[in-house]
Amino acid sequence: DAGVIQSPRHEVTEMGQEVTLRCKPISGHDYLFWYRQTMMRGLELLIYFNNNVPIDDSGMPEDRFSAKMPNASFSTLKIQPSEPRDSAVYFCASRWTGFTDTQYFGPGTRLTVL
Amino acid sequence: DQQVKQNSPSLSVQEGRISILNCDYTNSMFDYFLWYKKYPAEGPTFLISISSIKDKNEDGRFTVFLNKSAKHLSLHIVPSQPGDSAVYFCAASEKLRANNLFFGTGTRLTVIP
Repeated sequence: DAGVIQSPRHEVTEMGQEVTLRCKPISGHDYLFWYRQTMMRGLELLIYFNNNVPIDDSGMPEDRFSAKMPNASFSTLKIQPSEPRDSAVYFCASRWTGFTDTQYFGPGTRLTVL
Repeated sequence: DQQVKQNSPSLSVQEGRISILNCDYTNSMFDYFLWYKKYPAEGPTFLISISSIKDKNEDGRFTVFLNKSAKHLSLHIVPSQPGDSAVYFCAASEKLRANNLFFGTGTRLTVIP
């Protein structure tokens, strides 16, 4: 099993540019989560999906952030326009309903906005 | 604002000794607690969990203790090994909303050979 796959692993962009982060969950998992990690706040849940439907997006910081899950094997997190304070590591995680609590994380995307 | 707090950013322990990582929470509705371990350039991986109906859960060298009255939990690693060197995150949830995990800021553990 390949685990959760995220791309790119590193992204450096300039302020004002659009950034798209990608995630492929573990096959068969029906929940997908997007997190952001910063030194000050640790890991914060941004949004999660169940069966491709967004369930809770209360953690999305601003309208500049959007997430989609067009099918069970792919999700994107988009920031438009990006700002320096968006610099962080963004993690995607997935889990299966049968395992109530264990979320499996991808390796993360380190985003730097100059 | 931070509902789960890990007040020690780092901890160094000699190999073979006990490592104790601490975590405090403020939300009395939390009733499920987890520890995740994270190596550099990797995502967090689940380590151990505990429900509020227990005060201790053990898995090999790892034991988590929960003190509900103090809103405090700790992770004990005995004996500590160099491979345990990682960042440890404490997380909590209200069981009914188990998808909403609240994480602390992490503690970097270094086990010195």
